Amino acid sequence: EIVLTQSPGTLSLSPGERATLFCRASQSVTSNYVAWYQQKPGQAPRLLIYGASNSVTGIPDRFSGSGSGTDFTLTISRLEPEDFAVYYCQQYGGSSLSFGGGTKVEIK
Amino acid sequence: QVQLVQSGAEVKKPGSSVKVSCKASGGIFNSYTFSWVRQAPGQGLEWMGRIIPLLGRTNFAQKFQGRVTITADKSTTTVFLEVNRLTSEDTAVYFCARDWITADSGNGYFDSWGGGTLVTVSS
Repeated sequence: EIVLTQSPGTLSLSPGERATLFCRASQSVTSNYVAWYQQKPGQAPRLLIYGASNSVTGIPDRFSGSGSGTDFTLTISRLEPEDFAVYYCQQYGGSSLSFGGGTKVEIK
Repeated sequence: QVQLVQSGAEVKKPGSSVKVSCKASGGIFNSYTFSWVRQAPGQGLEWMGRIIPLLGRTNFAQKFQGRVTITADKSTTTVFLEVNRLTSEDTAVYFCARDWITADSGNGYFDSWGGGTLVTVSS
């Protein structure tokens, strides 16, 4: 199984700042099949990005994804108040799918 | 866009079973694949397994093989998750999600999610 390690565990930033979240896989992810989700307390996750860099209808364009092989990044260009949440990466290229442990983006 | 509505919270005793439902509306049920993902309190997300209702085919994370059953009722467009031999470690919120599987890996990402069902296992 591919293990995903997200860093940092917590990111403390102010509204308007840029957020960069990392997701490292224990082995190369086939076809860069990595998705990113946002989860707020008491809510289900929400899909932000799939295929490492493909945008999702209805998601603001301040969210973008990049990366290939074993290293992937989610960037939030300018944090809005509603962006403070936990973010998870997920790979679906392996024989079984797996999630990273999450990065919490909190208000500084 | 498919909407997924899950059944309500459950409290169960250790050793018992729980069955959670997820009703899908909007779109074409038989064209979708559905997965179950759980989240223990304060923890991350864990994929449990999936079903392709059209084929009745299921597959599971190795951890849950033999203890979890996923079924689908096409007449009511509802997917079910049953977990047997519950322990306190099964206390979690259980989510159903639509699963966009890829042909080459057989796995997918999740674009629609139910609201979650809290299952508490306690004596």
